[in-house]
Amino acid sequence: QVQLVQSGAEVKKPGASVKVSCKASGYTFTSYGISWVRQAPGQGLEWMGWISAYNGNTNYAQKLQGRVTMSTDTSTSTAYMELRSLRSGDTAVYSCARLNSGNRDAFDIWGQGTLVTVSS
Amino acid sequence: DIQMTQSPSSLSASVGDRVTITCRASQIISNYLNWYQQKPGKAPKLLIYAASSLQSGVPSRFSGSGSGTDFTLTISSLQPEDFATYYCHQSYSTPPTFGQGTKLEIK
Repeated sequence: QVQLVQSGAEVKKPGASVKVSCKASGYTFTSYGISWVRQAPGQGLEWMGWISAYNGNTNYAQKLQGRVTMSTDTSTSTAYMELRSLRSGDTAVYSCARLNSGNRDAFDIWGQGTLVTVSS
Repeated sequence: DIQMTQSPSSLSASVGDRVTITCRASQIISNYLNWYQQKPGKAPKLLIYAASSLQSGVPSRFSGSGSGTDFTLTISSLQPEDFATYYCHQSYSTPPTFGQGTKLEIK
C-alpha cells in the first residue's frame, strides 16, 4: 500500500543537527513532491518546506531559511529533512507528507511522525 | 502569509449529532482548501480536498463546502471514532498554512 515510513525518535542537544528520513513505497516516488510539517507539543501544524522528488527543487519556510535542508534519494525513494543549530523551540513531531498536485496540493499521505527533542 | 481562522476552537457534541466547523481565510483562496482529522499521537489524515471532494476511503458522513474565503466541514452524524482535532489547510499560495484546529470532544 501507499505509505511513508519515517526514522525513529531523536534526542539532541542545543546547537546540534538532526536528519530525519522518510521512505516512500507503493507509488512512483518521482511523481509527487514531499512536504515537511512539524507540530510542537500541544500546538498546531507548521509547514517547513517542500521538495520535488522529480528534480530536487525546494521551497523552505522563511523562518527556517539557512537552518533547514531537504533532499531526496530517488534510488531508495527516500526524502530527508536536516535541521541545524537546534534550539529548544525546535522540539516537535516532524512529519513528511506527500503533496498531491492533482488534488489541489493536498497532503494525502503522511508519515507516522518523528519526535525530535532538543534538551541540554 | 494567508491566515486561516477556524471556529470554534473546541466543541462538545454527542454521538449522532450533526456538527459543523468553519474555516475563514484572510484572502480569497478559490477552492484550495483541505480538511484533516488528527487523533492523539497520530499523523493527520486527509478527509476533504478542494473544499468539497471526499478523499478515497473517508466515510460519506463527512462533507465540505465553500469557496473564496469561507468554508465548512460538516459531520452529518457523529460516530465515536470522530472525536478528534480537525484542521483546515490552504494550498492556494506558499507558504501553505493551517487553521489552529478544532478539538471535538464527547459531551
